[in-house]
Amino acid sequence: DIVTTQSPDSLAVSLGERATINCKSSQSVLYSSNNKNYLAWYQQKPGQPPKLLIYWASTRQSGVPDRFSGSGSGTDFTLTISSLQAEDVAVYYCQQYYTTPWSFGQGTEVEIK
Amino acid sequence: EVQLVESGGGLVQPGGSLRLSCAASGFTFNSYEMNWVRQAPGKGLEWVSYISATGSDIRYADSVKGRFTMSRDNAKNSLYLQMDSLRAEDTAVYYCARAPDCTIGACFLDYWGQGTLITVSS
Repeated sequence: DIVTTQSPDSLAVSLGERATINCKSSQSVLYSSNNKNYLAWYQQKPGQPPKLLIYWASTRQSGVPDRFSGSGSGTDFTLTISSLQAEDVAVYYCQQYYTTPWSFGQGTEVEIK
Repeated sequence: EVQLVESGGGLVQPGGSLRLSCAASGFTFNSYEMNWVRQAPGKGLEWVSYISATGSDIRYADSVKGRFTMSRDNAKNSLYLQMDSLRAEDTAVYYCARAPDCTIGACFLDYWGQGTLITVSS
């Protein structure tokens, strides 16, 4: 099974500053035949279901602000919020969908400093 | 508008059973793979099970294999999760979630329901 691990567990960032969350998978999630990384990012606010932000490691879901970006390949990935807004306070999860069991990272809580 | 609405949650004793339902609308249900994902109180997300669009391919997390049964009724635009031999560690909010197209590898989860809470306790 693929294990996905996020760092840090929590992050405090000032409004307007950059937030960076890392995700590492225990094996590569890059599928060589299509050169796509099977890695997604979700945002979950209190009392709400998760919301898809990024898929294929770097493709923004429709309607997601462009301050959210994803990068990385193989086993190491990053979610960046370029200029943190108050509404971005949430827990962020990465997920590999390369093979079942799909696995999520443990989550990173982002708050305002 | 895509909508997924879970129901069937509640309090159940250890060893008991419960059946969850997820009513889908706003999209062609029989064209999409579906999943159940759960979240224990104050914890992270755990994938539980997957079913293909036709229902011919079903997969489970090891933690529920042999105890949970996922199914779908495309005529009723509904998804189900039969949960037997429930344990305290199954206590969680259960979400149904849609995958865009796993046949091309797009098995991320683009729409989620609001979830239904299952509490396993005596």
